[in-house]
Amino acid sequence: GQQVQQSPASLVLQEGENAELQCNFSTSLNSMQWFYQRPEGSLVSLFYNPSGTKQSGRLTSTTVIKERRSSLHISSSQITDSGTYLCAMERNTGANTGKLTFGHGTILRVHP
Amino acid sequence: GGIITQTPKFLIGQEGQKLTLKCQQNFNHDTMYWYRQDSGKGLRLIYYSITENDLQKGDLSEGYDASREKKSSFSLTVTSAQKNEMAVFLCASSIGVYAEQFFGPGTRLTVL
Repeated sequence: GQQVQQSPASLVLQEGENAELQCNFSTSLNSMQWFYQRPEGSLVSLFYNPSGTKQSGRLTSTTVIKERRSSLHISSSQITDSGTYLCAMERNTGANTGKLTFGHGTILRVHP
Repeated sequence: GGIITQTPKFLIGQEGQKLTLKCQQNFNHDTMYWYRQDSGKGLRLIYYSITENDLQKGDLSEGYDASREKKSSFSLTVTSAQKNEMAVFLCASSIGVYAEQFFGPGTRLTVL
């Protein structure tokens, strides 16, 4: 089965609404990372978040390693937030790889 | 700060052709990665290099070769392009394993 489950698969918001994106992992992990993928394909790192809560502007990421989950909260959404949000985990395998396993992403569309 | 450059941005090849994608980073990072992204799917790891002169296979290495020419550059070769290989190839780097990964803008491959 899929090791990284993201939900929802897609989300449509009115400008100003909040969004909560979820990421669940089927295996134990060392750390995880949230990315924003622009419509043309480039990836921007939003958070590298081994554990706990981090905030950057209107974005807040909360990761609970023991419960194998992470969330990304977007407050007061803007049209420019539209795009794909990807989460990825670094599995705890005991091997020194740094390899990321990605979810399939949440496609966000924010309308005026 | 730093930047990751991928060339070319778009690559069109013929079926059976050998094709090379290049990646350069000026972060002075030790570790570099090549991922492939197919439409509607998460990124999958092809090859990675923990340090200069190191080369490790990822989950999707069959049909590809890689070369870490120097610390700042990491190339990926498609040994014999196939039509089902049309995808976006993303290069990433990190200061080491278990660290935040930063991504380049991608190379979009089309096989005719």
